Amino acid sequence: QVQLVESGGGLVKPGGSLRLSCAASGFTFSDYYMSWIRQAPGKGLEWVSYISSSSSYTNYADSVKGRFTISRDNAKNSLYLQMNSLRAEDTAVYYCARGGGYCSGGSCEMRYYFDYWGQGTLVTVSS
Amino acid sequence: QSALTQPASVSGSPGQSITISCTGTSSDVGSYNLVSWYQQHPGKAPKVIIYEVSKRPSGVSNRFSGSKSGNTASLTISGLQAEDEADYYCCSYTGSTFVFGGGTKLTVL
Repeated sequence: QVQLVESGGGLVKPGGSLRLSCAASGFTFSDYYMSWIRQAPGKGLEWVSYISSSSSYTNYADSVKGRFTISRDNAKNSLYLQMNSLRAEDTAVYYCARGGGYCSGGSCEMRYYFDYWGQGTLVTVSS
Repeated sequence: QSALTQPASVSGSPGQSITISCTGTSSDVGSYNLVSWYQQHPGKAPKVIIYEVSKRPSGVSNRFSGSKSGNTASLTISGLQAEDEADYYCCSYTGSTFVFGGGTKLTVL
C-alpha cells in the first residue's frame, strides 16, 4: 500500500535551516508529482511547493519562495524540502503528499489533488 | 494568493444533511473545475473525499458530494454520522499553485 513517511523536523532558531525528507513506498514514485503542505498549530492547511515527476517543474507559495527548495531523488524514492532563513511563522506540521500529476510512458496526466498524505513532521522555529 | 473562504463551523444532527461553502475568486475556483475537498480528524493527516469539484475517490462514501457555481464550491454531506465530525478543507488549483480554504469544523450534535 502507498506509504509516505516524513522525517527531519525539530526545533530550530530563527534564521536557521532544516532539511525535511519523505520516504515513499508502495507505488512507482518516479511517475508522480509530489508536494509539501503545512499546517501551523491549530490552523488550516497551506500548500507549500510541488515538484514534477522528473524534477523539471517546481513551484512555491509566495510565503516561502526564495527560502525553500523542493527536490527529489527518484532512485531513492525520496522527496526533500530544504528550508533556509526560517521564521517563527514557518512553525507547522509539514506533510508530504502525492499529487499534481502522473506521468508514464512519456505522457503526463495532471491530477490537481492530493490523494495520499504522510503523517507529517513538526517544525518549530523559536529562539 | 488569499485563502479560500469557508465558514468556521457548521453543525447538524445524525441523519441530517449539511453543506459547507468554499468561496474563491475568478482566478481560482471560478476559473477551474479543479476543486478538491479534504476531511481531517484530530491528530490525523487529511484525506481527499472529493476531487475535480464532484468526483469521489474509490472507497469514499456516496454520502459526500460536491458542486460548484461561479466562484463558490460546495460540499454536501447527507445522512450525517458521528464519524463525520471532523475538519473539512477545500482546495483549488490557481493555474500555477494551489490554495486551501481556512477550514470548517463540523460538529455532529
